[in-house]
Amino acid sequence: DQQVKQNSPSLSVQEGRISILNCDYTNSMFDYFLWYKKYPAEGPTFLISISSIKDKNEDGRFTVFLNKSAKHLSLHIVPSQPGDSAVYFCAASGYGQNFVFGPGTRLSVLP
Amino acid sequence: DVKVTQSSRYLVKRTGEKVFLECVQDMDHENMFWYRQDPGLGLRLIYFSYDVKMKEKGDIPEGYSVSREKKERFSLILESASTNQTSMYLCASSTPGTGRDGYTFGSGTRLTVV
Repeated sequence: DQQVKQNSPSLSVQEGRISILNCDYTNSMFDYFLWYKKYPAEGPTFLISISSIKDKNEDGRFTVFLNKSAKHLSLHIVPSQPGDSAVYFCAASGYGQNFVFGPGTRLSVLP
Repeated sequence: DVKVTQSSRYLVKRTGEKVFLECVQDMDHENMFWYRQDPGLGLRLIYFSYDVKMKEKGDIPEGYSVSREKKERFSLILESASTNQTSMYLCASSTPGTGRDGYTFGSGTRLTVV
């Protein structure tokens, strides 16, 4: 049973518009969340994180929102650029635990 | 530039072969991990290690073993490769404790078992 879910395997967005990637989790002990970005033939690279004591974290064009009551987080990319086309993984952990990764969402930003 | 290096980008092996995947990190990280990435399944943890000569099973350890004789090196071993082990293998490392800085990943090894 997947503890971290990304229900959209793929997403296409026009360049300049907003991309919203969603992630749901089931384990209420998770208190720290990361987003990774992965290009083909490369390893995932860290993008942005959020702790459960916050409901929003922003870094440039990237913002992560956390709704603890719904066990849901989302990554917003504004404005989307063609270079953002990649697979995005959501990851979650509880204190002292390894991260659990979601299945990923493939984002395509169309010029 | 700190990094995690995986020795091979692409490997093709025959069924039944013993396969070694090597990973080296230069960040003096205590924690090291082996994942496999498959479409629709994301990253699944095979084995991890928090210290030299220490190893722990992850979620899918069957058919795999690991070795960590030195802090910087973590090897994944497929004792007898099978076609269902065809996958992208990713090594990662992190700081000790909670690892809340996240993981640093290698570029991956695409293994094909024929």
